[in-house]
Amino acid sequence: DAKTTQPTSMDCAEGRAANLPCNHSTISGNEYVYWYRQIHSQGPQYIIHGLKNNETNEMASLIITEDRKSSTLILPHATLRDTAVYYCIVRPPALVFGAGTILRVKS
Amino acid sequence: DADVTQTPRNRITKTGKRIMLECSQTKGHDRMYWYRQDPGLGLRLIYYSFDVKDINKGEISDGYSVSRQAQAKFSLSLESAIPNQTALYFCATSDSGSTEAFFGQGTRLTVV
Repeated sequence: DAKTTQPTSMDCAEGRAANLPCNHSTISGNEYVYWYRQIHSQGPQYIIHGLKNNETNEMASLIITEDRKSSTLILPHATLRDTAVYYCIVRPPALVFGAGTILRVKS
Repeated sequence: DADVTQTPRNRITKTGKRIMLECSQTKGHDRMYWYRQDPGLGLRLIYYSFDVKDINKGEISDGYSVSRQAQAKFSLSLESAIPNQTALYFCATSDSGSTEAFFGQGTRLTVV
């Protein structure tokens, strides 16, 4: 199974873009990159996923490098409510979460 | 009503007791998962099931067992609870052809 590496924590100013990196250097050619977030002690929430191309939805953008060894989740205009733990997952048959990145959005 | 329902939401039990946590879903998904989360840590996979007759161990299955009674129901049992099983437990579902998993609201279990 491909493993992911994320920074332990990051800070972002409210209204600015939050860029969360993830390394997945052992990813296989057909494995997708998924991002989830967990606010406080709630169940994780799906954000976005991608295979090769950059993806955008109403919540975020996902930039995947050409060699697919890393990706960046972008929250374009972070708000205080985006403070959460963000998980980057490369999807093997079962979802396996790492420690994630604690994002703190500050006013 | 929630798509993924966990019962109970909170439970305090004594060391050595058997306890069952239940999960039911209305999504019609074939895949179901049980996770535990300890304070300040990420989710760790306990067991998962891709179909009614399919059970797979996750990262930390020791001390736990599961039962997939129907497509919509997946139960987690602690045969003899111990204090270090005190944690927040999450159930999740996904479809083999879908792109996201849906999580329950969690069960906070305390073993004293």
